[in-house]
Amino acid sequence: DAGITQSPRYKITETGRQVTLMCHQTWSHSYMFWYRQDLGHGLRLIYYSAAADITDKGEVSDGYVVSRSKTENFPLTLESATRSQTSVYFCASSAGQGKVLFFGSGTQLSVL
Amino acid sequence: AQSVTQLGSHVSVSEGALVLLRCNYSSSVPPYLFWYVQYPNQGLQLLLKYTTGATLVKGINGFEAEFKKSETSFHLTKPSAHMSDAAEYFCAVSSSGNTPLVFGKGTRLSVIA
Repeated sequence: DAGITQSPRYKITETGRQVTLMCHQTWSHSYMFWYRQDLGHGLRLIYYSAAADITDKGEVSDGYVVSRSKTENFPLTLESATRSQTSVYFCASSAGQGKVLFFGSGTQLSVL
Repeated sequence: AQSVTQLGSHVSVSEGALVLLRCNYSSSVPPYLFWYVQYPNQGLQLLLKYTTGATLVKGINGFEAEFKKSETSFHLTKPSAHMSDAAEYFCAVSSSGNTPLVFGKGTRLSVIA
């Protein structure tokens, strides 16, 4: 299916565990983004990538790691999950900086 | 650095009434401005955008927004609310299209029958 897909849709984990959220897009967009959505904060940028092997930190990058070995994939890893990382995570892609963002359906992550 | 302020975390209107969602931005260079809508348990989707040119921008579902540089505003309006408009609305800004989008905190729109 064309578009941008995230997996898993829901994830429950424990503090201290490593967890990876997956994101895959079929448009060959050069840019990909990870945002987290929290009540009262809106969406905040975690990391973004302009192309394969190029990544940059966003506003709230501490505790997160990303990689982009292929244009279509942009996984987000929480190296040692904390309760404050309980959130809804959205992946997005665009054809360029400042272009329209296309969002996935999100991953709801709970850290117990 | 750019920023976005959405006035009112929750707006409630009657069906058929005017919808007005307020957005003010801060940007040191000409902004690219966006409105996105999020329906429950879904990702965000684009309503409309302003980059350059005409300051009144029309989007999907009857929404429009006007870029007012002097007021640093980009308010979203719809003449007549429909029940299906109930959702969360986000305003976002990018500095001349050269930076990642920065989102406001969102405004939840409720439509009362």
